[in-house]
Amino acid sequence: ETGVTQSPTHLIKTRGQQVTLRCSSQSGHNTVSWYQQALGQGPQFIFQYYREEENGRGNFPPRFSGLQFPNYSSELNVNALELDDSALYLCASAGSGPEDSGANVLTFGAGSRLTVL
Amino acid sequence: GQSLEQPSEVTAVEGAIVQINCTYQTSGFYGLSWYQQHDGGAPTFLSYNALDGLEETGRFSSFLSRSDSYGYLLLQELQMKDSASYFCAVNRDQNFVFGPGTRLSVLP
Repeated sequence: ETGVTQSPTHLIKTRGQQVTLRCSSQSGHNTVSWYQQALGQGPQFIFQYYREEENGRGNFPPRFSGLQFPNYSSELNVNALELDDSALYLCASAGSGPEDSGANVLTFGAGSRLTVL
Repeated sequence: GQSLEQPSEVTAVEGAIVQINCTYQTSGFYGLSWYQQHDGGAPTFLSYNALDGLEETGRFSSFLSRSDSYGYLLLQELQMKDSASYFCAVNRDQNFVFGPGTRLSVLP
């Protein structure tokens, strides 16, 4: 089974631009979540999708938005980029839902490192 | 809200045992997890405690005490490859709140 894959691995944008990051979840996982990890800090929860619906959101402004597709892949979109958005963006997938013990184990991708100049 | 505290750095020698503590303030959660992250890599799952007590997985063990709002990760027979950052996390539903991480350096 394949793991979680993310693209692109690195990208550089300028302030005010928009960015789209992509994630393919692990086979058999239908929950995907996105995290922002600043250098030297722990991952911060952005939002989560289950069966194409957003069902949880962290303390991030509306310019952070996402999608989940029928094949459970996902996108993170960030509009009006700010310098503080520079970070590693991690996608994680998990098992079949709250009743599945696998739902409590996150499988992370290697991340997309975004630099905003 | 939820917040977790971990020591920022721990140093130990090869073959030793090290314990990384995690204290938390939260209004309720399903369980306490531990993840390992090497520089430039993805966080990888180590352990999950849904109930109080000790969970053992090879060289790694994890402990949770809900009454004390405390948990720890115990690493035995340290190897050089264990040098990494270690994060504790609590989750409610599938919203995981991570601690700031502990950077473990294993010396020869």
